[in-house]
Amino acid sequence: GAGVSQSPRYKVAKRGQDVALRCDPISGHVSLFWYQQALGQGPEFLTYFQNEAQLDKSGLPSDRFFAERPEGSVSTLKIQRTQQEDSAVYLCASSLRTGGSGANVLTFGAGSRLTVL
Amino acid sequence: AQKVTQAQTEISVVEKEDVTLDCVYETRDTTYYLFWYKQPPSGELVFLIRRNSFDEQNEISGRYSWNFQKSTSSFNFTITASQVVDSAVYFCALSVPGYNFNKFYFGSGTKLNVKP
Repeated sequence: GAGVSQSPRYKVAKRGQDVALRCDPISGHVSLFWYQQALGQGPEFLTYFQNEAQLDKSGLPSDRFFAERPEGSVSTLKIQRTQQEDSAVYLCASSLRTGGSGANVLTFGAGSRLTVL
Repeated sequence: AQKVTQAQTEISVVEKEDVTLDCVYETRDTTYYLFWYKQPPSGELVFLIRRNSFDEQNEISGRYSWNFQKSTSSFNFTITASQVVDSAVYFCALSVPGYNFNKFYFGSGTKLNVKP
């Protein structure tokens, strides 16, 4: 697609429910990132995929958070037994190349805003 | 440790005024990249500029200009003759090399309100 697409744009969950957030990156982009953005804050790194391999998940806040990208394209971020502190915008970003030079530009989606009641 | 500080939480200006958004970063890496992203109300972060740590030349793109000073660890962003469409949250970010990928460290953002 032309850009990074995320769904749903808005999700309201009751505490304890499981949620799944979807990211459709730009076609052909090898690298995929998930970031969490709390209200009034900058995005914070959650996890990174290179194709279907999850190479870094050091930013996931707890074992209730799980991400996958089984075919190296679409990715899903799942949050089990949601808590109020999980309320945030979850941003997905993709990049054409791999590599750790620091130069890669990330293209972001519009995010999924999760509200846990 | 890597850190980006945007001390200005919110700035309000009247259209056609010039405005500068401040960004101060911390890193011990000698090779790194600095970015500015714009986040309009629609939510997506829009890439504006990338600079590497070895290039301190200032850059101008239309009404936008960037001042990179390693001596003060700053990468400030100036909008000349601001317009209502410039209203957004602006994020400064630091990217450092990693084994598999470059991790971004974002500041907390500066919300710019441009009033007609």
